Amino acid sequence: KNEVEQSPQNLTAQEGEFITINCSYSVGISALHWLQQHPGGGIVSLFMLSSGKKKHGRLIATINIQEKHSSLHITASHPRDSAVYICAVRFAETSGSRLTFGEGTQLTVNP
Amino acid sequence: DAGVIQSPRHEVTEMGQEVTLRCKPISGHDYLFWYRQTMMRGLELLIYFNNNVPIDDSGMPEDRFSAKMPNASFSTLKIQPSEPRDSAVYFCASSFGGATEAFFGQGTRLTVV
Repeated sequence: KNEVEQSPQNLTAQEGEFITINCSYSVGISALHWLQQHPGGGIVSLFMLSSGKKKHGRLIATINIQEKHSSLHITASHPRDSAVYICAVRFAETSGSRLTFGEGTQLTVNP
Repeated sequence: DAGVIQSPRHEVTEMGQEVTLRCKPISGHDYLFWYRQTMMRGLELLIYFNNNVPIDDSGMPEDRFSAKMPNASFSTLKIQPSEPRDSAVYFCASSFGGATEAFFGQGTRLTVV
């Protein structure tokens, strides 16, 4: 079964802390996405990656294809980073553009 | 570009009624996706189109659900008849190429009472 698992489910941090959210998947993928969903409900695509590492501002996403694992890091966290972070993958064996989603990680950053 | 535009933002309807959700993708994007988000099941792909043609509708829960894309700038998701278990947030997203970053609309929160 093609599965995507995220950890932790919930994460509370103090402003300024370094944060890591993890995503593991069961079989080979062609791409992995990190999405951010704010309390208002809107979803924003943060990264799409298939290998290596990407950085955008205080956000860094890495992926290890051999270990079937990706991490999303937030440096110098801020209360405005509070959101649900969702990992989604396109499994290599799946034709087309179907994405399978993790359950999300609820991040709360306290001032 | 204003991004992906969905309407309405909120919809409350009675069980048995027909519901139509609308989506305007980003101009020039050739892929359009409909997703549903619930507390129990998270985000799920319902259907996606490429160049207005439905490619994968295996996520459509049952015959009560239908989706159309009559042209490159408009898509609808229809539920007829609606049931309380259809209550969810429905997202539309579009992308240029199916393997690239997708841009999401703000979602339609549907409540069926």
